[in-house]
Amino acid sequence: AQKITQTQPGMFVQEKEAVTLDCTYDTSDPSYGLFWYKQPSSGEMIFLIYQGSYDQQNATEGRYSLNFQKARKSANLVISASQLGDSAMYFCAMREFSTGNQFYFGTGTSLTVIP
Amino acid sequence: NAGVTQTPKFRVLKTGQSMTLLCAQDMNHEYMYWYRQDPGMGLRLIHYSVGEGTTAKGEVPDGYNVSRLKKQNFLLGLESAAPSQTSVYFCASSSLIKEETQYFGPGTRLLVL
Repeated sequence: AQKITQTQPGMFVQEKEAVTLDCTYDTSDPSYGLFWYKQPSSGEMIFLIYQGSYDQQNATEGRYSLNFQKARKSANLVISASQLGDSAMYFCAMREFSTGNQFYFGTGTSLTVIP
Repeated sequence: NAGVTQTPKFRVLKTGQSMTLLCAQDMNHEYMYWYRQDPGMGLRLIHYSVGEGTTAKGEVPDGYNVSRLKKQNFLLGLESAAPSQTSVYFCASSSLIKEETQYFGPGTRLLVL
C-alpha cells in the first residue's frame, strides 16, 4: 500500500487565490510527522511546513497552512494568496518515528499559478 | 554558509562502471540522507545515517553502499551501475534538535547507459 497518496497530478490557481493540495497517508505508527516540500523547476527541494501526529493545532508558516485531519489521515496543504513564484511541484512526505528515520514521499502535485 | 552541496552535478556512466557521489554539509547536522527521484515516483530513501560511523538502509538500498567516515560527509557508492539507477539523486541533512526539517542539496543527475 502507498504510504503517501497525492491524487492531483496537476493543479491550476489564479494569482491571489487560495489553493488546497491534497495528501492522504497510511500508517499504523501512532508517532509520525508530516511534511510538505516545494520543488521549483530549478530542482532544489525546499521545506515548507511540518505537522507532528501529536500536535493539537494545525501548523502554519506564513502563507502555508496544513489542514491536518487525523481521523481521515489527511494532511492537505493550503496556500493562501497564491503568487506566480508558487508555481512548482509540491511533495507531501511522512516520517514514521518508530522505524527510525524512514521517510516516505508522495508522487507530487504540479501547481501552476495563472496571472 | 554553503548548506548542503553535492558533487558531481551531472554524470554519465556505462553499465558496470562504478562511481561515488559526495554529499557535504557545513551545518554540523547529525542526520544525513540519500534519496533518488524518478519521474512519477517522488523521492525514495536509499540509505541514511544518524551519526558519524553509522548507516542504515532506507526503502530502496539495493545496488548502493554508503559511508559516513566524517560527520560532514555522506558518500553514496554504486559498485556496478545499471540503467535502472538512472535517476536524480538528492542528499539531505537534518539536526538532532530539529530533525523534522531536512535541508536538501541541489541534486546529482546520473545517466547510466
